[in-house]
Amino acid sequence: EPEVTQTPSHQVTQMGQEVILRCVPISNHLYFYWYRQILGQKVEFLVSFYNNEISEKSEIFDDQFSVERPDGSNFTLKIRSTKLEDSAMYFCASSDLGAPYNEQFFGPGTRLTVL
Amino acid sequence: GENVEQHPSTLSVQEGDSAVIKCTYSDSASNYFPWYKQELGKGPQLIIDIRSNVGEKKDQRIAVTLNKTAKHFSLHITETQPEDSAVYFCAAMEGSQGNLIFGKGTKLSVKP
Repeated sequence: EPEVTQTPSHQVTQMGQEVILRCVPISNHLYFYWYRQILGQKVEFLVSFYNNEISEKSEIFDDQFSVERPDGSNFTLKIRSTKLEDSAMYFCASSDLGAPYNEQFFGPGTRLTVL
Repeated sequence: GENVEQHPSTLSVQEGDSAVIKCTYSDSASNYFPWYKQELGKGPQLIIDIRSNVGEKKDQRIAVTLNKTAKHFSLHITETQPEDSAVYFCAAMEGSQGNLIFGKGTKLSVKP
């Protein structure tokens, strides 16, 4: 069964450093999402992406964040200058249809630890 | 924007009993409500969803009900098994592009 994959599974970085989290969505999907989950809290929406541009973004997704689909398979989230409060699990999700039909399938996540 | 409340935060049942998790939402324009199961160290897994044009949907031991007037929806798991133990999240879809707003999760423990 096709699934969303994410790398790395765990990323440790120093405050102020740049990190890139990578995702490979399900191959025929066209809509891509990033969510994050701070330890013990709920999953929060960051950004949605379709047709090579951002569709929607939350208040969390400030100028330190960017997304890119550099090729036909990868979808990346970059945090330019990490802060302690960026420590969280980051989930990528994809769907084949847009709203309101979009069943979103999540990857296993990348645990980001900022020291 | 949309706000989703979920109760209870923890739920412990005996194997074979039923479990019910309830969620409320605030935006009457929301029309898609998925439920996710998250096992330790894994990403959320979609287990069932419901759209606003139906009131109930069933898939084997799992069912979801939706009351649009009251703006609440519930997950029902019958004949619970130890492997049902996980954190369950409800969500509501917000916006034209389909981003999901999640509840805070319910940790379900099924005791053998």
